[in-house]
Amino acid sequence: QKEVEQDPGPLSVPEGAIVSLNCTYSNSAFQYFMWYRQYSRKGPELLMYTYSSGNKEDGRFTAQVDKSSKYISLFIRDSQPSDSATYLCAMRGKSNFGNEKLTFGTGTRLTIIP
Amino acid sequence: DAGITQSPRHKVTETGTPVTLRCHQTENHRYMYWYRQDPGHGLRLIHYSYGVKDTDKGEVSDGYSVSRSKTEDFLLTLESATSSQTSVYFCASSRGDLDDPLHFGNGTRLTVT
Repeated sequence: QKEVEQDPGPLSVPEGAIVSLNCTYSNSAFQYFMWYRQYSRKGPELLMYTYSSGNKEDGRFTAQVDKSSKYISLFIRDSQPSDSATYLCAMRGKSNFGNEKLTFGTGTRLTIIP
Repeated sequence: DAGITQSPRHKVTETGTPVTLRCHQTENHRYMYWYRQDPGHGLRLIHYSYGVKDTDKGEVSDGYSVSRSKTEDFLLTLESATSSQTSVYFCASSRGDLDDPLHFGNGTRLTVT
C-alpha cells in the first residue's frame, strides 16, 4: 500500500462549481501538507501549504487537514477553466533539512468545462 | 518557474547510451533534487543534493548518478539508458527552510528506444 493515496480521476466539472480534491495517507508522522498544481507540459507549482491540522484559505482555494482521519482536501470555489490542471498532494514529517522526505500523491487530473 | 531551467526539454536516445540532463537555478538555493514522473507513480525522488559536491540517493536511484560542482548546476546522468528510464524528469530546488516548498523546472521528456 502506498503511503499517500490520491484518486487519479479524471474529474470533469462545469464552470462555477465547487471542486473537492482529496488524499489519504498512512504515515502518522506527516506534519507538513502541500498541494501543487501542474499544467500540461509544465512543472508543478506550489498552490497551498499547511502545517498540522486545520484549514487554510487563499482566495478561491481552501486546504483542509484532518490528521485524526489522515485525510487532506483541497476545495476550489467558483471553478474556472484556468483551473484545469493536475493537482498533486504532497506531505512530509519533520526533517533536519530540505524536502528529501517529501511524498507525493499520484495526482488528480481536473477539467473545468466552460 | 523562471529561476530553474532544464536542458534539453526533449531527448530521444537508444538503449545502452549514456545521457546527461542538466538543471540550472538562479535562486542560490542550497538544495536541489531530481525527480521522475510516471503515470500511476507520481513524482519519485532519484537523487538530491544538500550542497556543492554533497549528494545522496533517493527512492529510485539505481542506474542514475548525479554531480554538483557549483551551487547553480545539478547534473543527472543515466549511465546506460534502458527503456524503463523513459520518463519525464523534473529538477527542483529549495532553500531548505522547514516551510520552504520545492520550486520545479518544466521538465525533460526522455524517450529511450
